[in-house]
Amino acid sequence: DQQVKQNSPSLSVQEGRISILNCDYTNSMFDYFLWYKKYPAEGPTFLISISSIKDKNEDGRFTVFLNKSAKHLSLHIVPSQPGDSAVYFCAASEAGNQFYFGTGTSLTVIP
Amino acid sequence: DVKVTQSSRYLVKRTGEKVFLECVQDMDHENMFWYRQDPGLGLRLIYFSYDVKMKEKGDIPEGYSVSREKKERFSLILESASTNQTSMYLCASRRDRLQGYTFGSGTRLTVV
Repeated sequence: DQQVKQNSPSLSVQEGRISILNCDYTNSMFDYFLWYKKYPAEGPTFLISISSIKDKNEDGRFTVFLNKSAKHLSLHIVPSQPGDSAVYFCAASEAGNQFYFGTGTSLTVIP
Repeated sequence: DVKVTQSSRYLVKRTGEKVFLECVQDMDHENMFWYRQDPGLGLRLIYFSYDVKMKEKGDIPEGYSVSREKKERFSLILESASTNQTSMYLCASRRDRLQGYTFGSGTRLTVV
């Protein structure tokens, strides 16, 4: 059963606007979360992380929010750029064990 | 920067062949992982290794085996390739449990 879910397979956003990518998880023991970005024919690259002791982490245009009670995290990209067009995966782990990945959201930023 | 190198970007193999996918990392990482990525299914863990000679099954190990004779190299073996093993295979490594993964570029395997 999928422990990490990304319910939106795709998202289109105008350049300059905000992109919001969502991720839900079922295991309340997950305590470390990552977002990866993947271009076609390339491996995923690390984007941003958050641990369960925080509810927000920011890095430039990227911010990740964690709502532990709702078992939900989101990635905000502001402002969105055409180069952000890629597939985004969220991942979660418990106590440093292996990461469980979501199914991915394909983001298209329209110039 | 850590580099994770997968030996082939694209492979085409015939049903029943034994297939070796090689992965090498250059930063003395303890942990290594093999995932496959399929549309609508995300990344699914096949096998992982926390140390040399050590291996653990992931979520979908059937039809696969692995070898980790040296710390830097983690090989995925398809004992008898089948068409349902056509996929993108991704190798990843990390220094220890406090880190996220560094991925290789992936191997697109097609079994015909």
